[in-house]
Amino acid sequence: DSGVTQTPKHLITATGQRVTLRCSPRSGDLSVYWYQQSLDQGLQFLIQYYNGEERAKGNILERFSAQQFPDLHSELNLSSLELGDSALYFCASSVEGQGFDEQFFGPGTRLTVL
Amino acid sequence: GQNIDQPTEMTATEGAIVQINCTYQTSGFNGLFWYQQHAGEAPTFLSYNVLDGLEEKGRFSSFLSRSKGYSYLLLKELQMKDSASYLCAVRGRDDKIIFGKGTRLHILP
Repeated sequence: DSGVTQTPKHLITATGQRVTLRCSPRSGDLSVYWYQQSLDQGLQFLIQYYNGEERAKGNILERFSAQQFPDLHSELNLSSLELGDSALYFCASSVEGQGFDEQFFGPGTRLTVL
Repeated sequence: GQNIDQPTEMTATEGAIVQINCTYQTSGFNGLFWYQQHAGEAPTFLSYNVLDGLEEKGRFSSFLSRSKGYSYLLLKELQMKDSASYLCAVRGRDDKIIFGKGTRLHILP
């Protein structure tokens, strides 16, 4: 158990819908990362927050948005869902969010878009 | 462009040694990570290199050559539980993290 929690564990929805994935970092970690993992693309970095502020942005679609709240939990919002958005979404947290900073991954949310 | 390459699959025998290579081309460099991921599970951290050379951690070692854009992960005394995917990742100058597609390692008894 990494100490990072993600809810829900599974999510099944339809194309065109909107969903929110939630992540609670390890106690003391200020940085949160979001990743998408699909079979053909591997692990794709989406976005990173540090203490409420966006720090780095990866291949995040415009239909996706995220935020980190004052209590440091984070939410990833996915809208106008397409079949290709079906994937495993991981959240990770770390202390500082830069340089050598071991990331601890949550168990993931498996999203299925029908 | 930015790219990380590693072999798709490798097979090795229990008790042996295996080396998984990773080459990268990124804008800036702030460190290279290796992660282990068992099927259906989250990745777990194995090692971090930011300076050239070898970092040893028990049965696992990781090497980095920044001038060559090259790293490898060395696994010794292989055990069946080492069957997993091994992910190479680079943190760029802008703190963006790029992962390779991973190397699936199969261990044979």
